[in-house]
Amino acid sequence: AQSVTQLDSQVPVFEEAPVELRCNYSSSVSVYLFWYVQYPNQGLQLLLKYLSGSTLVKGINGFEAEFNKSQTSFHLRKPSVHISDTAEYFCAVSDRSGSEKLVFGKGTKLTVNP
Amino acid sequence: GAVVSQHPSRVICKSGTSVKIECRSLDFQATTMFWYRQFPKQSLMLMATSNEGSKATYEQGVEKDKFLINHASLTLSTLTVTSAHPEDSSFYICSARDSSTDTQYFGPGTRLTVL
Repeated sequence: AQSVTQLDSQVPVFEEAPVELRCNYSSSVSVYLFWYVQYPNQGLQLLLKYLSGSTLVKGINGFEAEFNKSQTSFHLRKPSVHISDTAEYFCAVSDRSGSEKLVFGKGTKLTVNP
Repeated sequence: GAVVSQHPSRVICKSGTSVKIECRSLDFQATTMFWYRQFPKQSLMLMATSNEGSKATYEQGVEKDKFLINHASLTLSTLTVTSAHPEDSSFYICSARDSSTDTQYFGPGTRLTVL
């Protein structure tokens, strides 16, 4: 079984500042890793995913994440945030069995202030 | 990108009634769809995996007779909450897997309130 820990429930930042949202996972098998964003009263949108290959993954809206196997982490970063980035961000994992089941972290609320 | 819709977006019902929620993949075919439940300020919890043409697979602790899932076509899955109670009030989100991109696309969610 897998589990995901998002260490920060809330992250307030100022506009144009850099941000890092932390994600650690636990699994006895190899996993795929995902970051999703949820805007108020909307479903989840895929930001980026790590399946294999380069450990630095670039996604939409200027976000990127780095897979660190030794630290079992998949932190999300953006060098300069906009007010429109205010949303809930979820880290998720799935095993490589082909079941496609996603296990989500509890989410991090990113608030970008002017 | 691929679009998944849910209907209704919001529903309020009386305790003891049944509510049906639809999940549609609009521009791709989905042999597999997933139903999640999200409590306020909490994460998504997978309820069941819906496979077209076969019975759904429920996660441990989810009552299959209470949460009826039907995946009758490659673009539609339905979740029926039977004999709803106030504790069933929640945000229900579906996702559909596009096998051509190996990606799950999520619907906008349905807010269920049981009075």
